[in-house]
Amino acid sequence: GAGVSQSPSNKVTEKGKDVELRCDPISGHTALYWYRQRLGQGLEFLIYFQGNSAPDKSGLPSDRFSAERTGESVSTLTIQRTQQEDSAVYLCASSLFLGGAVETQYFGPGTRLLVL
Amino acid sequence: KNQVEQSPQSLIILEGKNCTLQCNYTVSPFSNLRWYKQDTGRGPVSLTIMTFSENTKSNGRYTATLDADTKQSSLHITASQLSDSASYICVVSEEDPLVEYGNKLVFGAGTILRVKS
Repeated sequence: GAGVSQSPSNKVTEKGKDVELRCDPISGHTALYWYRQRLGQGLEFLIYFQGNSAPDKSGLPSDRFSAERTGESVSTLTIQRTQQEDSAVYLCASSLFLGGAVETQYFGPGTRLLVL
Repeated sequence: KNQVEQSPQSLIILEGKNCTLQCNYTVSPFSNLRWYKQDTGRGPVSLTIMTFSENTKSNGRYTATLDADTKQSSLHITASQLSDSASYICVVSEEDPLVEYGNKLVFGAGTILRVKS
C-alpha cells in the first residue's frame, strides 16, 4: 500500500513569500505529526493532529506557521512571510492511535524548503 | 535503494533489565546517524548523534554504537525504567553535496519498547 506522501519534494521561494506544504498520510491513520530539520540539527517537533484536532501546537515556532487537517486525512502546513531561517526539511509522519499506546510512525520523504 | 531497518519491531522487558535495539542501514553516502525516543503525541527526543568517525556515544543509561564498515548501529538501554516505554527511531542522514539546505533523511520504522513492572 501507499506510504506517507508529501508535496512538493523541493521548494525554493523568495523571502517574504508564503508557502504551503502538503502531507497525505497513510489511509486510516488518525495521528499526524509535522516536524522540521534544519541543516545539521535534529528533528524539531512542530504540531500533532489527532483526527482533525491539534491538541499540541507547542512546537510551532511563530505565528507565521499554521497547519490544518481535514477529513482526518490530508494536512497542510503553511508558512507565511517566509524567512531564511525557515529553510529546512519539513517532514510529516502518521500513525494509528489506539488511545495511550505507543505507535509506529511512518514518515514521508519530506519537503526541502529553501528560502532565498 | 537507501534503507534503514530496525529490529525488533517491538519488545517487552521487565523493569530493571537491559535491552539492545538494532539499526541496519544501506544509506550511502553516509553523513550521520541519530537515535530518537518518542512518546505518542509528543515530539521526538534526540538521544545520540554519531558521525562516521564515532563508534560509541552515551547519554545516561543510553549507549549507542556505530559500525560504519558493516553499517550497523545499536542502542543499548541499561537498567530499564517504566518511563523508557516509547518508540525508538533510527534516522540516517544521507550526505548530498548537491543540496545546501538539508540532507536527505532516511527513517527506520522504529522499535516499540514496553517496560513492565
